[in-house]
Amino acid sequence: RKEVEQDPGPFNVPEGATVAFNCTYSNSASQSFFWYRQDCRKEPKLLMSVYSSGNEDGRFTAQLNRASQYISLLIRDSKLSDSATYLCVVNMGPNTDKLIFGTGTRLQVFP
Amino acid sequence: DVKVTQSSRYLVKRTGEKVFLECVQDMDHENMFWYRQDPGLGLRLIYFSYDVKMKEKGDIPEGYSVSREKKERFSLILESASTNQTSMYLCASSGADRGKMYEQYFGPGTRLTVT
Repeated sequence: RKEVEQDPGPFNVPEGATVAFNCTYSNSASQSFFWYRQDCRKEPKLLMSVYSSGNEDGRFTAQLNRASQYISLLIRDSKLSDSATYLCVVNMGPNTDKLIFGTGTRLQVFP
Repeated sequence: DVKVTQSSRYLVKRTGEKVFLECVQDMDHENMFWYRQDPGLGLRLIYFSYDVKMKEKGDIPEGYSVSREKKERFSLILESASTNQTSMYLCASSGADRGKMYEQYFGPGTRLTVT
């Protein structure tokens, strides 16, 4: 089983749609969780950290379910500029700065 | 804003050449990382460093070495480049700030082609 698993997509959605990405992780000792965004041929950029209680940043909402080892990202009112690959990222456990990256979910928003 | 820079965006080298990839960060971060990214495989950790002159192997260290002589600079060395090292190489850094612990910030990447 992969340490971080994501549906590769692509998710093709119209502008204005709501889309959700899911991610599961295998290490129950993981304590920090993130979503990164990566545009084609560019570096990954931190989109948001995921907190235990869930958190929201504008149109983006991240949720964490520790019991099921599951993270989600919800994007509301999709924009063309949201088209990118979204990487689910998990740290390996306490006392380590090593992160494990999922292979990403590709989102394509069309007019 | 954190700034991580890498010495080259694109690099073409011949098999057997020694290759140096340089990474510099300006946020006084303790931790620095080298990854490679290949289609379908995602980001894989090659080496990382917690402090000057300290290094630890990641998941795929074979064929690579690193150097960290100064806090802001982390170099990746391909001792004898091979075609299977053709890839996108990404450098990242992270600090020890409580509020931003484990958040990694990436450089723009170096696309290396070995012929």
